[in-house]
Amino acid sequence: DIQMTQSPSSLSASVGDRVTVTCRASQNIRSFLNWYQQRPGKAPKLLIYAASSLQSGVPSRFSGRESGTDFTLTISSLQPEDSATYYCQQTYNSPPTFGQGTNVEI
Amino acid sequence: EVQLVESGGGLVQPGGSLRLSCAASGFTFGTYWMTWVRQAPGKGLEWVANIQQDGSETYYVDSVKGRFTISRDNAKHSVYLQMNSLRVEDTAVYFCARHKGYCSGDNCSPTDYWGQGTLVTVSS
Repeated sequence: DIQMTQSPSSLSASVGDRVTVTCRASQNIRSFLNWYQQRPGKAPKLLIYAASSLQSGVPSRFSGRESGTDFTLTISSLQPEDSATYYCQQTYNSPPTFGQGTNVEI
Repeated sequence: EVQLVESGGGLVQPGGSLRLSCAASGFTFGTYWMTWVRQAPGKGLEWVANIQQDGSETYYVDSVKGRFTISRDNAKHSVYLQMNSLRVEDTAVYFCARHKGYCSGDNCSPTDYWGQGTLVTVSS
């Protein structure tokens, strides 16, 4: 199975800060990388798919980039409602696997 | 509006069985791959199984192969997860979700709509 390693596991930032979360795949996954946001007690929400495509309805402060097997999720200006856990997921190879999550506190 | 509503969770003893259901509405159900993802208490997300539009292809994570069966009834706009020989480590919230697009062999599209989840507790 492809291992997805996220860093950091948690971070604390202030409203308006630029925040970056990183995800590294254990092998080449091309651009089959997705990012989800999960607020406490809620279902995950798709933010970014295919490494850098913004899901419909998601604010433009969220963006994704890829560099080889390294992927980043950036929140350009952190908002209070962005307090959540963020997961990356590869869907290049079955089984689809998730990173361990990054908890973003504000 | 796309909606996915899971049901069927509950408390079951180790070795027991449970059938989860997910009722879909607001989209043409029979044209989408569907999936189940679970989340153990306080833990991360784990993909469990998915199923092709007509039910002819199904895939499972190794830990549930031979114990869980995913199925669907397109006439009822529903997807199911039959869980047998349940173990303590199967305790989790189970989410059903819709794949945004195709799944082909190993490659799969992301999941763009999720239900609210149903809790399965396996304990004696």
